[in-house]
Amino acid sequence: DTAVSQTPKYLVTQMGNDKSIKCEQNLGHDTMYWYKQDSKKFLKIMFSYNNKELIINETVPNRFSPKSPDKAHLNLHINSLELGDSAVYFCASSLAGGWTDTQYFGPGTRLTVL
Amino acid sequence: AQSVTQLDSQVPVFEEAPVELRCNYSSSVSVYLFWYVQYPNQGLQLLLKYLSGSTLVKGINGFEAEFNKSQTSFHLRKPSVHISDTAEYFCAAQGAQKLVFGQGTRLTINP
Repeated sequence: DTAVSQTPKYLVTQMGNDKSIKCEQNLGHDTMYWYKQDSKKFLKIMFSYNNKELIINETVPNRFSPKSPDKAHLNLHINSLELGDSAVYFCASSLAGGWTDTQYFGPGTRLTVL
Repeated sequence: AQSVTQLDSQVPVFEEAPVELRCNYSSSVSVYLFWYVQYPNQGLQLLLKYLSGSTLVKGINGFEAEFNKSQTSFHLRKPSVHISDTAEYFCAAQGAQKLVFGQGTRLTINP
């Protein structure tokens, strides 16, 4: 009955590789997000999608490409991984992306780039 | 632009003691404020939120927060903490289509 799920939970890879993280929500929400949490626990939004359309793109390198095949899924593909990409990536969703909406977070994917 | 400052990066307290985690925000628009908790190796979950109305907001697990417009603060409090409250706590403010988080406060409960 997981509301927001992410796979994989852990991802260890070499520099230069390409990897994807998948996210699915079963809450019937229209809006989904990707956040990056760095080693100091600072949490920053990367992208948001509303009903498969990109709403926010926060000056993220174009090596990061989100893809939303339907409103229940928002995947994150990362090309040419760099050491600085090591972080925990959280997917989240909210009802309609409104300012008062609660965001529901997935368990996170810990990405380690060697 | 929205910004959120959590004044303490770490707060150690003894079990059953009261705790206050401090949060200040800056904004020139309507303010919607949130507190999220992150337990070890988990995602964030909502503790409480302030949208409008009463400035004292009650949340889950016995937490409450007070919105103070004149001091631009939204401090989180609990009268008596438990070991299970050990976690990272994030204050956040909503604006311009995105949620802006503070740096987080690590709450450590000592027996």
